[in-house]
Amino acid sequence: KQEVTQIPAALSVPEGENLVLNCSFTDSAIYNLQWFRQDPGKGLTSLLLIQSSQREQTSGRLNASLDKSSGRSTLYIAASQPGDSATYLCAAQGGSEKLVFGKGTKLTVNP
Amino acid sequence: DGGITQSPKYLFRKEGQNVTLSCEQNLNHDAMYWYRQDPGQGLRLIYYSQIVNDFQKGDIAEGYSVSREKKESFPLTVTSAQKNPTAFYLCATKASGYAYEQYFGPGTRLTVT
Repeated sequence: KQEVTQIPAALSVPEGENLVLNCSFTDSAIYNLQWFRQDPGKGLTSLLLIQSSQREQTSGRLNASLDKSSGRSTLYIAASQPGDSATYLCAAQGGSEKLVFGKGTKLTVNP
Repeated sequence: DGGITQSPKYLFRKEGQNVTLSCEQNLNHDAMYWYRQDPGQGLRLIYYSQIVNDFQKGDIAEGYSVSREKKESFPLTVTSAQKNPTAFYLCATKASGYAYEQYFGPGTRLTVT
C-alpha cells in the first residue's frame, strides 16, 4: 500500500530565502506526482504535476523534481514571500485514478 | 465561469440527521472524488467515481453514501451511521488519464452537534 510522507510538518523561514519541501513515497510504481497548496479553510490549489517520465517541472518561482528510484520529490520555492505562507501537500498517483496524499508541510514566511 | 462548486460552505446539523453535501462541476471531467480532512489526519478518500452510474469506496466509506446520475454532479450523503461526521469535506475532479491534474472545490465545513 502506497504511503506518502512529508517532512518537516512545519517550516518557518525569513522572507527572501530559497527553500525546499520534501515528499517521499514508498511505492516507486507511480504514474505522476502532484503538488498542491492549501490556505486555511480553503480547498487545495494545484501547483505542479510531474509525470513519471519527467524529472522536473517549473512554474514561476516553483520547481518540482521527481526521483522515482529513490521515492522522492522536492518542491523548490525561490525567493520566498509572505504570500507563500500556506500548507503544501504532495500526492502520488499509482495504477488507478486514486491519489495518495501526504499530510503536508505548513510553511510560514516571515516578513 | 468554469470550476467546481460545493454548497453550502458551512452546514450545521443535529446528531441523528442525514445530510447531503453538493458538488457540481463544469470542467467536463470524468472522475469525481470526495475527501474528508481532519486536523492532523490529512486527506482521506471517502468515495470516487470514474464514470456516470458507477462509484467505488475509498478508505473511509462507512457511514457515507454517494450517487453519480449525471457527469456534472456527485452528491455525498453523510448518514446518521457516521460516528464522527464533523469535518471539512472536499470534492475534487480529474480528467481520466495520468497526465491530468486533480482539481478541488472550496470545501464544505460540516458541524454536527
